[in-house]
Amino acid sequence: GAGVSQSPSNKVTEKGKDVELRCDPISGHTALYWYRQRLGQGLEFLIYFQGNSAPDKSGLPSDRFSAERTGESVSTLTIQRTQQEDSAVYLCASSPPMGGEQYFGPGTRLTVT
Amino acid sequence: AQSVSQHNHHVILSEAASLELGCNYSYGGTVNLFWYVQYPGQHLQLLLKYFSGDPLVKGIKGFEAEFIKSKFSFNLRKPSVQWSDTAEYFCALDTGGYQKVTFGTGTKLQVIP
Repeated sequence: GAGVSQSPSNKVTEKGKDVELRCDPISGHTALYWYRQRLGQGLEFLIYFQGNSAPDKSGLPSDRFSAERTGESVSTLTIQRTQQEDSAVYLCASSPPMGGEQYFGPGTRLTVT
Repeated sequence: AQSVSQHNHHVILSEAASLELGCNYSYGGTVNLFWYVQYPGQHLQLLLKYFSGDPLVKGIKGFEAEFIKSKFSFNLRKPSVQWSDTAEYFCALDTGGYQKVTFGTGTKLQVIP
């Protein structure tokens, strides 16, 4: 079946511009995560959605970052007024109800010039 | 709050050497544990998982991990590594219910032919 998809795969933007990244989780997966992976570094948790519960936003690095999810479907991660330090691969993952294995998307490589 | 520690940040081995990557977690209750692998240029994917039952779990490509509850550990092992095992390995903790999964910082494994 279809896996987690993310778009765009690559995004180059100028410093100060806003960007929107999209994640399509696996159908039926109630949990959705966003992570950031800077070059050569590990996974940095950003935000977690679980069903209709309030999202866990504890990993968002600043108020320039926000994310939404409509029900148990698509999620968008928005970065306002991008900075060069925002350059990274942004990964999305989903998992079934009550936890379990996470299925990762291919990521969006964001480059801020 | 739960946490996961991977003390080996970068491991270099020769082919055919044995591998053990450490993973320790901090949580007092029931846990589910995972190892994920990220090969160069590829998605993160599941290597193996422990939910319950036999504490020695076997995964893909000859990897195994042992859950030792008394030591709060879930170390990853492989008796004989290959050059193709060069990758980054992440340990992850799931405490069940609707709590978010916590990842370790990752261990980069480099296997020299």
